[in-house]
Amino acid sequence: KQEVTQIPAALSVPEGENLVLNCSFTDSAIYNLQWFRQDPGKGLTSLLLIQSSQREQTSGRLNASLDKSSGRSTLYIAASQPGDSATYLCAVLNSGYALNFGKGTSLLVTP
Amino acid sequence: EADIYQIPRYLVIGTGKKITLECSQTMGHDKMYWYQQDPGMELHLIHYSYGVNSTEKGDLSSESTVSRIRTEHFPLTLESARPSHTSQYLCASSAIGTGGFSYGELFFGEGSRLTVL
Repeated sequence: KQEVTQIPAALSVPEGENLVLNCSFTDSAIYNLQWFRQDPGKGLTSLLLIQSSQREQTSGRLNASLDKSSGRSTLYIAASQPGDSATYLCAVLNSGYALNFGKGTSLLVTP
Repeated sequence: EADIYQIPRYLVIGTGKKITLECSQTMGHDKMYWYQQDPGMELHLIHYSYGVNSTEKGDLSSESTVSRIRTEHFPLTLESARPSHTSQYLCASSAIGTGGFSYGELFFGEGSRLTVL
């Protein structure tokens, strides 16, 4: 069964810092990997989707990379802002039916 | 912009009541999912559907049931609610890619937070 691990579990940084969130998965035969953001008590907002044939995706201050062979993905957030404070979830699809989620990284950006 | 809606957003109900959580999407997605998430915990898949008249149980055993009579609608029902059902229920949808596998992006609703007293 696919296992998805996210490190660190929690992170606190001052505003303006660049930061990296890590995601690893045990089964490298994936179809895609998706990063989400979740605010307290809310649903998940899709940030970036990387197909298995891609190496990275960028959206604004966010950049996600994928290394399928090593089972790793990173989410890079440039020039962090207090509004970036949320839980960030990584999920991989390696079977036909549903994504496997990590437990998330809880990010706090302080002014 | 994702167009997937969940009703109600919040529900407080007594033990033994029957409840239905509604989920609708206007994107024409074939695949729909229900996840359960306790506060601060990870998401667990409880039901999914490939399309109309298709429903499957997920990884986490659940006493709830689902139906998929229309593409856009995927309601979840609890026949007799119990305090152990207190949780947040998240509905999601995605498009089916080629070969019957879903390569598409997953979109979530805002969630339905259920409290059973």
